[in-house]
Amino acid sequence: DQQVKQNSPSLSVQEGRISILNCDYTNSMFDYFLWYKKYPAEGPTFLISISSIKDKNEDGRFTVFLNKSAKHLSLHIVPSQPGDSAVYFCAASVSGSNYKLTFGKGTLLTVNP
Amino acid sequence: NAGVTQTPKFQVLKTGQSMTLQCAQDMNHEYMSWYRQDPGMGLRLIHYSVGAGITDQGEVPNGYNVSRSTTEDFPLRLLSAAPSQTSVYFCASARTSGNTIYFGEGSWLTVV
Repeated sequence: DQQVKQNSPSLSVQEGRISILNCDYTNSMFDYFLWYKKYPAEGPTFLISISSIKDKNEDGRFTVFLNKSAKHLSLHIVPSQPGDSAVYFCAASVSGSNYKLTFGKGTLLTVNP
Repeated sequence: NAGVTQTPKFQVLKTGQSMTLQCAQDMNHEYMSWYRQDPGMGLRLIHYSVGAGITDQGEVPNGYNVSRSTTEDFPLRLLSAAPSQTSVYFCASARTSGNTIYFGEGSWLTVV
């Protein structure tokens, strides 16, 4: 049973537009959520995170929204740039084991010039 | 600062052979782990360690052994490789008090 779900395997957007990547989770114990970005032939790199005590966290062009009642989070990228083209992984963890992440399957974002 | 270093980057094995994937980190992180990434499967946790001398199983531990004799190193051993172990392997480290995991660049393993 997959505890972190990214239901869209891929997403294509135009440069300058907003990219919205979605993630759902089923484990109510999860209280910390992260987004990782991965380019081909490289390891995942940390992008942005949010604690369950917040419903929004912003870092430059990247904003993560958390809806605890719906067990849903989303990553917004505004404006999207061609260099943002990568696979984005949603991940979640439980307090006391913040280092032990459960990942979604990832969404391939393509930003077209 | 090298971060998390994995070797080798590419390896081809025959079924039944053994090998060790090496992982080292220079950030004095307590936590280290191994993940595998397969097409359409995301990253799945194989084994992890919260400190020297302490290891535990993750989601997909079968066919793999680990040990943690030092804070810096966390090797992953395949005792008898199987084609199902063809995958990309990522080592990661973090502070147990922190919230961010740092990944190595990956090791591509093919078992034929």
